[in-house]
Amino acid sequence: DAGITQSPRHKVTETGTPVTLRCHQTENHRYMYWYRQDPGHGLRLIHYSYGVKDTDKGEVSDGYSVSRSKTEDFLLTLESATSSQTSVYFCAISESGAAGTDTQYFGPGTRLTVL
Amino acid sequence: KQEVTQIPAALSVPEGENLVLNCSFTDSAIYNLQWFRQDPGKGLTSLLLIQSSQREQTSGRLNASLDKSSGRSTLYIAASQPGDSATYLCAVRDSGGGADGLTFGKGTHLIIQP
Repeated sequence: DAGITQSPRHKVTETGTPVTLRCHQTENHRYMYWYRQDPGHGLRLIHYSYGVKDTDKGEVSDGYSVSRSKTEDFLLTLESATSSQTSVYFCAISESGAAGTDTQYFGPGTRLTVL
Repeated sequence: KQEVTQIPAALSVPEGENLVLNCSFTDSAIYNLQWFRQDPGKGLTSLLLIQSSQREQTSGRLNASLDKSSGRSTLYIAASQPGDSATYLCAVRDSGGGADGLTFGKGTHLIIQP
């Protein structure tokens, strides 16, 4: 299994509070991604990173920000959590970007509940 | 905008049967297509990756095919076992510009009856 950890694994928070989720990899892969998974929607891309300090938006980026100050860490921040952000969040990594030939490897997920 | 559809949404079959899961996508401008497996409460495990120039990939009892021009892929599982019970996800990596990342279908929930 690819060396990807996510923390926390479970979190319950209240509406309006800030939340930061962490993804840590030991593979030294350049590309990192945040997805959310919701019943009836499948997995959707939130943000991604193509290098240290290089990030871009995905399909559902509103209400989220990201940062990547080191190759191994990719942080997802909900500035002011809302109930619609209750979801399971997955981090993924890959060695190459869109034109590459390799797979994306996924972390174990973080279950976030916003009350 | 790319859309990925998986049919059926759920499938229950007796152990030992061969089965086919279907995936279709609306935009044929893709780099590759991947099949994943997801167990309840767990992350995704990559099963097979097919490059856009390839027609099929095989791994053990699994065979995935790709017809890019018609926007279709199938995952064939031979001699199914109860341990194959999981949700199977299809995802494409677009080459038409825009955000990097995968576009996923909603999955097929598979139950293999002992």
